[in-house]
Amino acid sequence: EAGVAQSPRYKIIEKRQSVAFWCNPISGHATLYWYQQILGQGPKLLIQFQNNGVVDDSQLPKDRFSAERLKGVDSTLKIQPAKLEDSAVYLCASSAGRTSYEQYFGPGTRLTVT
Amino acid sequence: KNQVEQSPQSLIILEGKNCTLQCNYTVSPFSNLRWYKQDTGRGPVSLTIMTFSENTKSNGRYTATLDADTKQSSLHITASQLSDSASYICVVSLLYNTDKLIFGTGTRLQVFP
Repeated sequence: EAGVAQSPRYKIIEKRQSVAFWCNPISGHATLYWYQQILGQGPKLLIQFQNNGVVDDSQLPKDRFSAERLKGVDSTLKIQPAKLEDSAVYLCASSAGRTSYEQYFGPGTRLTVT
Repeated sequence: KNQVEQSPQSLIILEGKNCTLQCNYTVSPFSNLRWYKQDTGRGPVSLTIMTFSENTKSNGRYTATLDADTKQSSLHITASQLSDSASYICVVSLLYNTDKLIFGTGTRLQVFP
């Protein structure tokens, strides 16, 4: 079974620019998560989707971050405008939802804001 | 406050040696505890998942233990290999909301020949 796909793998932008990340979850997985992982720390949940609805976005900085999962499959996460402190790895994960505890992570996108 | 703490922060061992990583948590109500391995530049991969009633679980050379009374877990790696070099993250999920994961900051393990 194919894993969680993310692109791009690396991105370097200047502060105040905008950037978008894409995630394609494992086929059939209803739940999709975006995490931010700052170097040396564990991942922090930004937003959780159940199909195309938002379940939890309490830690998403909504003044600059947005995410969508329009058709309940793939998802995009956008940052506009970026700040230096947004430099991190952005991980996408998916799970089958109520039938499984397991979250499967993608390889991540490493963002550097200069 | 729901927290997961891991020790040591980093560890260096020689190939073939054993090691044990520690995890203490204050998450309540507890549902399950997971250990993930994260290679540099990759996403975390699950090694073990243990529920309240399980006190040990193995995955090859990895053995996790759980003491739900003291809220402690350990991950023991036997006969380490160079490919074991990675970060190991302890993660606890909440009862009634198993999607909500509380991550530790990880232990960075380096295995040298």
